Amino acid sequence: RKEVEQDPGPFNVPEGATVAFNCTYSNSASQSFFWYRQDCRKEPKLLMSVYSSGNEDGRFTAQLNRASQYISLLIRDSKLSDSATYLCVVNMNTGNQFYFGTGTSLTVIP
Amino acid sequence: ETGVTQSPTHLIKTRGQQVTLRCSSQSGHNTVSWYQQALGQGPQFIFQYYREEENGRGNFPPRFSGLQFPNYSSELNVNALELDDSALYLCASSLAPGHPGELFFGEGSRLTVL
Repeated sequence: RKEVEQDPGPFNVPEGATVAFNCTYSNSASQSFFWYRQDCRKEPKLLMSVYSSGNEDGRFTAQLNRASQYISLLIRDSKLSDSATYLCVVNMNTGNQFYFGTGTSLTVIP
Repeated sequence: ETGVTQSPTHLIKTRGQQVTLRCSSQSGHNTVSWYQQALGQGPQFIFQYYREEENGRGNFPPRFSGLQFPNYSSELNVNALELDDSALYLCASSLAPGHPGELFFGEGSRLTVL
């Protein structure tokens, strides 16, 4: 079983739409959670960390459900510039290994 | 820009050859991790280096090896290249092992094995 599972999509949504991505992780010892964004043929970059209380950064909201081992990312009022692959990332704070999901592809259509 | 630089950016090798990829970490970061990202997949952890020692390894065979130098830069070496080694190889620097914060990635080295 993979450490992190994501729906690969693709998600094709019109500008202004709200879109949600989900991710599950298998190891209950996981301690740190993140969403990274990766543009085509570029390196991943941190979008936001995910906290137990949930957190919001502008149009982006991330939530964590430890009981269900589930992480979500909500994007409101989608922009063309949001088109990218969104990677769910988990770390167990044991030192080294970050586990990445396969990524969810989003295309925002004019 | 993250301040993490990798070289070369692209390279083509044939099966059985050996390759060395290089990475300079962000200033102030003493920990370097290497990831392999195959097409359509998320990055997979190869190994991490801290204080010039390997500090954890993912599920990769011994023909994947590395080094870290006193200035914290790092190399990834792959021997006996196989077709499946074709991928984007990403170097990421971070503040310290166990630090749950951000990984800063370089732009990657895209390896094609023919």
